[in-house]
Amino acid sequence: GQSLEQPSEVTAVEGAIVQINCTYQTSGFYGLSWYQQHDGGAPTFLSYNALDGLEETGRFSSFLSRSDSYGYLLLQELQMKDSASYFCAVLSSGGSYIPTFGRGTSLIVHP
Amino acid sequence: GAVVSQHPSRVICKSGTSVKIECRSLDFQATTMFWYRQFPKKSLMLMATSNEGSKATYEQGVEKDKFLINHASLTLSTLTVTSAHPEDSSFYICSARDLAGKDTQYFGPGTRLTVL
Repeated sequence: GQSLEQPSEVTAVEGAIVQINCTYQTSGFYGLSWYQQHDGGAPTFLSYNALDGLEETGRFSSFLSRSDSYGYLLLQELQMKDSASYFCAVLSSGGSYIPTFGRGTSLIVHP
Repeated sequence: GAVVSQHPSRVICKSGTSVKIECRSLDFQATTMFWYRQFPKKSLMLMATSNEGSKATYEQGVEKDKFLINHASLTLSTLTVTSAHPEDSSFYICSARDLAGKDTQYFGPGTRLTVL
C-alpha cells in the first residue's frame, strides 16, 4: 500500500521561511501534490511534482526527489494567513492513481 | 482553476433520517469523483471512488449500504447517508478529477453534517 510521513506541527514567525517535509512509500510513483486547508474549509491545490527538482509558484515552492522518496513544501515570507494544515498526497499506479493523503502538518504562524 | 461545488454546505438532521449531498463539477467533465470524510484535525479519509455510469468503488470498512453513491452524469455525483446516526457527523468533501489528466483533482467546499 501507500504511506506518507509528514510532521504533525510546525511553528514559525511572520516573514520567516518554513519547510514541510514529506516522505512516502509507494509502488509505481506518479506524482506528489501539496494541498492547503484552513480550519473549516476544503483543501485547495498548491502544487504538483512529477519530476525531480523544485517547482516555484510565488511564495510557495515544492521539491521532489524520487530516488529518496521525499519531497518538501517551502513557504517563504510567511504571513499570518498561511496558518493552516498542509497535506502531501502521492499519486501512484500502485494506488490506482487515487491520491493518498498524509496526515497533514499544522502550520502555526506567530506575529 | 476548475470549480467543484457541493450542496448543502451545512446540514443538521435527526438521527434515523437520510441526507443527500451533491457534488458538481461546474466547468469540466469528471469521469471520476472521490468522496472523503474528515474528522477534526485529521487527514482526509477516502470513502469511495465514484465513476460515471458504473458502481462506486468503496474503501475497506466503508458500508456501501450506508453511504450510497450515484454518479449519474459527468458533472454530478451524490452521496446519500442513509439512516444517519450521531457517529456519522463529520465533514464530507468531494473532489473531481479532470478528464484531461490523472494528476489534477479539484475539491468541493465540503459539507458539514451534524446528526442529532
